[in-house]
Amino acid sequence: AQSVTQPDIHITVSEGASLELRCNYSYGATPYLFWYVQSPGQGLQLLLKYFSGDTLVQGIKGFEAEFKRSQSSFNLRKPSVHWSDAAEYFCAVGPFGNEKLTFGTGTRLTIIP
Amino acid sequence: DTGVSQDPRHKITKRGQNVTFRCDPISEHNRLYWYRQTLGQGPEFLTYFQNEAQLEKSRLLSDRFSAERPKGSFSTLEIQRTEQGDSAMYLCASSLAKLAGGTYNEQFFGPGTRLTVL
Repeated sequence: AQSVTQPDIHITVSEGASLELRCNYSYGATPYLFWYVQSPGQGLQLLLKYFSGDTLVQGIKGFEAEFKRSQSSFNLRKPSVHWSDAAEYFCAVGPFGNEKLTFGTGTRLTIIP
Repeated sequence: DTGVSQDPRHKITKRGQNVTFRCDPISEHNRLYWYRQTLGQGPEFLTYFQNEAQLEKSRLLSDRFSAERPKGSFSTLEIQRTEQGDSAMYLCASSLAKLAGGTYNEQFFGPGTRLTVL
């Protein structure tokens, strides 16, 4: 069965600092990996996705993620965070065709001035 | 902006009552998904439709839950005899699945319906 682990429940960073959110997955085949962001009271917005090819993927809002098969990881990074990045971030894995997604428990990001 | 919409956004009900939620997907999308998100957790898959056919149901979807998509457009999720454990955010998503395969079908999420069972 597929699963996703986000080891950090809550992360606090200063505005302008770099960010890395961790994600580890378990999947029997080539994974389709995603990062979503959820602001309070809102639905989920797709930040970026990985299917194959270049292991460093670029997304919206200046985010990027790197797929490392040997570590079963897909960590999300941003070189300089903005106060508007405060939100909940979810890593997800899905099968080919994307019939359903399995999400991690999320990491809540707090930005301090 | 014709994104995924859900109605109502909030629902408070008493234990034992029935509730129904509606999801309107992006108009050209043929797939529609329901997820449930409890506090402090990520969304959990409940079920999905391709057009009007319900193709998969999670074991989380007990017999008190029923979902329909009668004309392949909007969908309803009904919970009968609600329990306090049903309190959660119910998220709907839609995607355009290309039947030829070999492509990724991004899921677009609605804002969710927050259910509180007293």
